[in-house]
Order: sequence, then structure tokens, then C-alpha cells
Amino acid sequence: GAVVSQHPSWVICKSGTSVKIECRSLDFQATTMFWYRQFPKQSLMLMATSNEGSKATYEQGVEKDKFLINHASLTLSTLTVTSAHPEDSSFYICSARVGRGRSYNEQFFGPGTRLTVL
Amino acid sequence: GQSLEQPSEVTAVEGAIVQINCTYQTSGFYGLSWYQQHDGGAPTFLSYNALDGLEETGRFSSFLSRSDSYGYLLLQELQMKDSASYFCAVGRRDTGRRALTFGSGTRLQVQP
Repeated sequence: GAVVSQHPSWVICKSGTSVKIECRSLDFQATTMFWYRQFPKQSLMLMATSNEGSKATYEQGVEKDKFLINHASLTLSTLTVTSAHPEDSSFYICSARVGRGRSYNEQFFGPGTRLTVL
Repeated sequence: GQSLEQPSEVTAVEGAIVQINCTYQTSGFYGLSWYQQHDGGAPTFLSYNALDGLEETGRFSSFLSRSDSYGYLLLQELQMKDSASYFCAVGRRDTGRRALTFGSGTRLQVQP
């Protein structure tokens, strides 16, 4: 199956700093990637849709100035958490679809990035 | 909007069969998916139903009834490694069905 990677896998930062998370599709091109957030023992909540070459589409309630998304190529999307605060501590996961063949209906998820803001 | 309901926890013993139910409400239906997530890991795809009926993939099967807005995941011959959270999900119409809305998840605990 298709592979999506994320970097870093975990990060600890001080309150007020910015953190960048990378999401890469390793063996396919993804014009669209998705960013989800998951709090402990809760479900995955869609934060935004990342579109290659255009602006991201944010879900209601997600601050676009705080969660900056850049999708500069067909294999890379980045999420930057600006001026992070402890309430931003969460598990951030990206995903993409190959959209063809046997994997047509399958979403491939990255391994996630655990962010802890002190 | 979309909403999905699942039981929060299920416990079963090794070798048994367990069924995890999911009911959904959505404007425009684009298939029901199931994902497995181990603690600290990424969700992995298990199955997808677009039409009514049963889909079988090894020890896992998934069922859909669109008239009842209901589906279930059936896990047979349970193994300890099946202990994980299981999410049902539907495609989001406003993203071309590509983004997913997830249920709250069912935590399955398999006991020896």
C-alpha cells in the first residue's frame, strides 16, 4: 500500500514557540492531504484540507493564523503550529488518498506527531 | 452535518467473535469505512462498504444497511493483537468524499 510519513514523530516545546510538522507521501503524489487532530482517547477531528498550489481549507473553529498549512509540492504538506500553548498539545495526523486502483477508497495515514507544549 | 455513533468499549476473549456496531446520520452517503488504531499509532484501513451487504476480508467482515443507516464490523477468531480502537467513518461530501468524519471509536479489549 501507499506510504505516508510524518516528521517529527514527537516534539516537546515551550509555550509561545512555533512547531513545524511535515507530511510526505513517499510513493505517490497527493494533490490533497488532510490534517487531523486527536486528543487522548478521543476520535480524529479534521482540522483542514491541504491543497497543492492553493490555500488550505480550514474546518469551522480552527484558526488559520494559528495552524499554518503549506502544500508546496505534490508530495509534501506542512503544518506549523504558531505560538503554541499547552492546550495545543495533541496528536496530529495527516492523511492522503491514492484515489485509484485497489486503494481507491482507502485513506493512508501518517504515523502521527505527538506535540507536547510545556 | 454528519454524526456517527459507536459503543465506547467492548471486551471479549481470545478466539471469540465480536461485533462493533455503527449508526450514522449524514446528508449524502458516500460509503462506510472502518479503521483500526493501536495506542499511539496511526489509523489503518480495514474495510469499506458502499453497497448493502457483507464484505469479508480474512478474519474481519463489515456489513452495511443503507436503509437503516447502520453498519457493523465483525471480528472473528480474536487475537490479543486485535486489542485496539476501531473507528467507523463516512466520506465528507464537501471534500469530494475524500476527507473522513470519524465516529467516536470503540475500544476493544481482548482478554486471554
